[in-house]
Amino acid sequence: AQSVTQLGSHVSVSEGALVLLRCNYSSSVPPYLFWYVQYPNQGLQLLLKYTTGATLVKGINGFEAEFKKSETSFHLTKPSAHMSDAAEYFCAVSDLLGSQGNLIFGKGTKLSVKP
Amino acid sequence: EAQVTQNPRYLITVTGKKLTVTCSQNMNHEYMSWYRQDPGLGLRQIYYSMNVEVTDKGDVPEGYKVSRKEKRNFPLILESPSPNQTSLYFCASSGGRGLIAKNIQYFGAGTRLSVL
Repeated sequence: AQSVTQLGSHVSVSEGALVLLRCNYSSSVPPYLFWYVQYPNQGLQLLLKYTTGATLVKGINGFEAEFKKSETSFHLTKPSAHMSDAAEYFCAVSDLLGSQGNLIFGKGTKLSVKP
Repeated sequence: EAQVTQNPRYLITVTGKKLTVTCSQNMNHEYMSWYRQDPGLGLRQIYYSMNVEVTDKGDVPEGYKVSRKEKRNFPLILESPSPNQTSLYFCASSGGRGLIAKNIQYFGAGTRLSVL
């Protein structure tokens, strides 16, 4: 069965510093992997996804993530944090039930950005 | 505009008083799902539906009911709410052509429920 582990429930960085949010997954099939972002009082929106092909994927707002099969990881990075990046971030894997997948989410990492 | 709409956004109720949270999507998606979000637990799936009249339990279905009589709507029903159902609830949908499209979920803005 698929599962997702996000290391660190809270991460705090200074504005302009590197953002690194860690995600490890477990999957018995080649996974589809996702990062979603939740801003305060809002729903989740897709940040980026990995399905097949290039292992470094770029998303919105300057974020990117690299799929590393050997490490079963899909860490999210951004070179320079902005105050507007403060939000909760969720990593997810699709369990691909036939062609329609359910998403299994990690427990989330809350990112704080200090001025 | 493509969207998933949940109503109400905020709800305070008392133990045992039946309530329904509505969810509607305008993207003609086959798949819809309900999640609850609790601090430190992330999102946990309550029920999902692969298409009209096809529903199945997720990880935490106890105390909830759903129905899918039409493609666009997927209401969440709490027949007898209890305080442990106080939570933030999200509806999501996905669909379209191709495996990738079927696996990208779109979320509503959430319903914050308090059961006293």
